[in-house]
Amino acid sequence: EPEVTQTPSHQVTQMGQEVILRCVPISNHLYFYWYRQILGQKVEFLVSFYNNEISEKSEIFDDQFSVERPDGSNFTLKIRSTKLEDSAMYFCASRLQGSNYGYTFGSGTRLTVV
Amino acid sequence: DQQVKQNSPSLSVQEGRISILNCDYTNSMFDYFLWYKKYPAEGPTFLISISSIKDKNEDGRFTVFLNKSAKHLSLHIVPSQPGDSAVYFCAASPDNYGQNFVFGPGTRLSVLP
Repeated sequence: EPEVTQTPSHQVTQMGQEVILRCVPISNHLYFYWYRQILGQKVEFLVSFYNNEISEKSEIFDDQFSVERPDGSNFTLKIRSTKLEDSAMYFCASRLQGSNYGYTFGSGTRLTVV
Repeated sequence: DQQVKQNSPSLSVQEGRISILNCDYTNSMFDYFLWYKKYPAEGPTFLISISSIKDKNEDGRFTVFLNKSAKHLSLHIVPSQPGDSAVYFCAASPDNYGQNFVFGPGTRLSVLP
């Protein structure tokens, strides 16, 4: 069964450093997403990406964040100058247009900012 | 601003009995709803969906009911099994064509043997 793959599974970084979280969505999917879940809180939407551009983003997704699909297979989330409160599980997801199955999520990257 | 609410943070059910997980939403534009299950250290996995043109959708042990006038949906699992123990998220979207889903906070289900 096709999977969304995320790497690394766990990333520890120092406050103020830049991190790049990587995702390989399912190959024939058209929409790509990043969500995050701070420990003990709900899953929150960050950004959606379609046709090589951001289609929607939340208030959380400020200038500190950026996304890129550099080579047609990878989908990355960059966080510049990380803060302690960026510590969370970051989930990548992809979907087909009109899919009855919603998103397919990856297993997540646990980001710990120290 | 909680557009999707799951008011029970946790639920315990005996194996073999029915589990009922509830979800309420406030945005009348929501037209498409999904339930996801999440085990620790894994991403959410899709369980079942329903669009607003239906009031019920069934898939094996899982049935989702939608009451659009009450802005309420529920997930029924029967019979419940210990492997069903997980966090269940309700999610809603205005459509099924690429708009992001808004997730509820989740309900932790524990099925006791």
